[in-house]
Amino acid sequence: EAGVTQFPSHSVIEKGQTVTLRCDPISGHDNLYWYRRVMGKEIKFLLHFVKESKQDESGMPNNRFLAERTGGTYSTLKVQPAELEDSGVYFCASSPSVGDDYSPLHFGNGTRLTVT
Amino acid sequence: SQQGEEDPQALSIQEGENATMNCSYKTSINNLQWYRQNSGRGLVHLILIRSNEREKHSGRLRVTLDTSKKSSSLLITASRAADTASYFCALTDSWGKLQFGAGTQVVVTP
Repeated sequence: EAGVTQFPSHSVIEKGQTVTLRCDPISGHDNLYWYRRVMGKEIKFLLHFVKESKQDESGMPNNRFLAERTGGTYSTLKVQPAELEDSGVYFCASSPSVGDDYSPLHFGNGTRLTVT
Repeated sequence: SQQGEEDPQALSIQEGENATMNCSYKTSINNLQWYRQNSGRGLVHLILIRSNEREKHSGRLRVTLDTSKKSSSLLITASRAADTASYFCALTDSWGKLQFGAGTQVVVTP
């Protein structure tokens, strides 16, 4: 089974530019999450999709961040315009729906974003 | 917010030694999980312990949970260089999303 893939692995952009990160979850996983880790601090939740719907976007920092999940498959996270504090590693994770039981998250390798 | 705090922040040991790290939290939980992250890679799920469990084993990993103290520990026995990684505890908050701490960075030297 292919794992969660993220693209690009690294991105260096200037302040004010736009960047779009992409995540392809494991096929068949309804749940898709975005997390971010800044400068060795805690890994912070950004948002959660169930299929194509945003279940929880309480962690999105501000309206410069826009996440979409087309047709409930891959997801994109766009940052426009990027600011210096947006630098960090953006992780995507997915999991299947298993009713009331719990299924661990499967993470991609992350996209390291550097805003200069 | 419902997230664990790992302690210590960093741990350096030699191969063959045991490594112990702790996670403390503030509110009640249904379960607690531990994840590992190797440098440049994504997080990998190691083990889940439910609130009615006190101890769980998986290979060289041993996890304990003390709900009265609101703390958990992860023990890695007979460590290897490949165990060098950051280790995170993760809690599910009341809204069902997983919250992580800042992690414990473990370095195992040959």
